[in-house]
Amino acid sequence: NAGVMQNPRHLVRRRGQEARLRCSPMKGHSHVYWYRQLPEEGLKFMVYLQKENIIDESGMPKERFSAEFPKEGPSILRIQQVVRGDSAAYFCASSQLTDRVNTEAFFGQGTRLTVV
Amino acid sequence: AQTVTQSQPEMSVQEAETVTLSCTYDTSESDYYLFWYKQPPSRQMILVIRQEAYKQQNATENRFSVNFQKAAKSFSLKISDSQLGDAAMYFCAYRASYNTDKLIFGTGTRLQVFP
Repeated sequence: NAGVMQNPRHLVRRRGQEARLRCSPMKGHSHVYWYRQLPEEGLKFMVYLQKENIIDESGMPKERFSAEFPKEGPSILRIQQVVRGDSAAYFCASSQLTDRVNTEAFFGQGTRLTVV
Repeated sequence: AQTVTQSQPEMSVQEAETVTLSCTYDTSESDYYLFWYKQPPSRQMILVIRQEAYKQQNATENRFSVNFQKAAKSFSLKISDSQLGDAAMYFCAYRASYNTDKLIFGTGTRLQVFP
């Protein structure tokens, strides 16, 4: 049972380009969470998705950022017109949420985005 | 809104010794979960230990244990018999008990282990 897979591991974009980050949840998991980690900081929640639905996007910047989790395929975090301040590590976590007591979110290894 | 505070940016410990990492949190909820995650240089987030707020007994996982003080909203991590492989960033995290696995993280503590 493969873990949460994120790709690419490293992504370099020039200012103004688009960045697409992918997350394949663990098998059987239908809940995906995206977090951003700025240098020397903790992870900050961005968005929570279930298949085809955005459940909680309270941590998403209002502009340039979007996320989706289609019925088929990975979850995508999309950043349009990237700026230097978007440089960070972006983590995806997935969970099953079938058992409230033992549920746990499993993390991918993150995508490090560098904007030059 | 819930918040998590880690007031120790860096800590150091000698191999085989014991170290305690501090964490405090703020919430108006009575039922929730608390976690400690380890992040080594590989960036992988590794769950170290979890605590359910309704349980009075402190969680323990081998060399790792917590001191959960619900009234004080304190959740410290004790690492016994420290090993070189324990060197990493450690993050305290809070999760509400309602229908989400969304985590709120502290800013982390960098632990150095000296031989």
